[in-house]
Amino acid sequence: DAGVTQSPTHLIKTRGQQVTLRCSPKSGHDTVSWYQQALGQGPQFIFQYYEEEERQRGNFPDRFSGHQFPNYSSELNVNALLLGDSALYLCASSPTASGYAEQYFGPGTRLTVT
Amino acid sequence: AQSVTQLGSHVSVSEGALVLLRCNYSSSVPPYLFWYVQYPNQGLQLLLKYTSAATLVKGINGFEAEFKKSETSFHLTKPSAHMSDAAEYFCAVSSLPGGGADGLTFGKGTHLIIQP
Repeated sequence: DAGVTQSPTHLIKTRGQQVTLRCSPKSGHDTVSWYQQALGQGPQFIFQYYEEEERQRGNFPDRFSGHQFPNYSSELNVNALLLGDSALYLCASSPTASGYAEQYFGPGTRLTVT
Repeated sequence: AQSVTQLGSHVSVSEGALVLLRCNYSSSVPPYLFWYVQYPNQGLQLLLKYTSAATLVKGINGFEAEFKKSETSFHLTKPSAHMSDAAEYFCAVSSLPGGGADGLTFGKGTHLIIQP
């Protein structure tokens, strides 16, 4: 059983550009959450998607947006990249949006903004 | 609002010695608490979680943690360190048992170093 997968593993972008990161949840999971982990910091909650809609959002600007597809996979889009957006972006999935099920994390996408 | 403080960004212990990683939390509602481990170039793996059933929680790989409400602490311990325990450890808090819908609030992490 494949766990949570993310692509690409590494990405280098220039300030002002836009980026799209992808996540496929664990089989049987319908909820996807995204986290940003800056170097030397703990992960920070960006937002959660369930039934193709954003359910909850952390303290992140509108430059961060997402999408969930009918097969439950998800994308994270970041517009107008800043140097401070350089981080490891983690995707986590769970089988329900109720909050009672454990989240499973993917290996992350390392984004470097130059 | 919830927050987590992990005392010590780096902890070094000898192989076979006791591991103690400290975590204090702040929460306006009854907390659900988690410890995750992150190995280099990997995602987070759940070690254990406190969901109000028992204050002493046993997890994978011989780790356990004790919830102390009076001290607002959830310290992680392991009686005997193994070289394979070297990793980054994160304490997290949530208002929900699975930590799902509202997202998890993480501490800054503690890097555990095992000396041979």
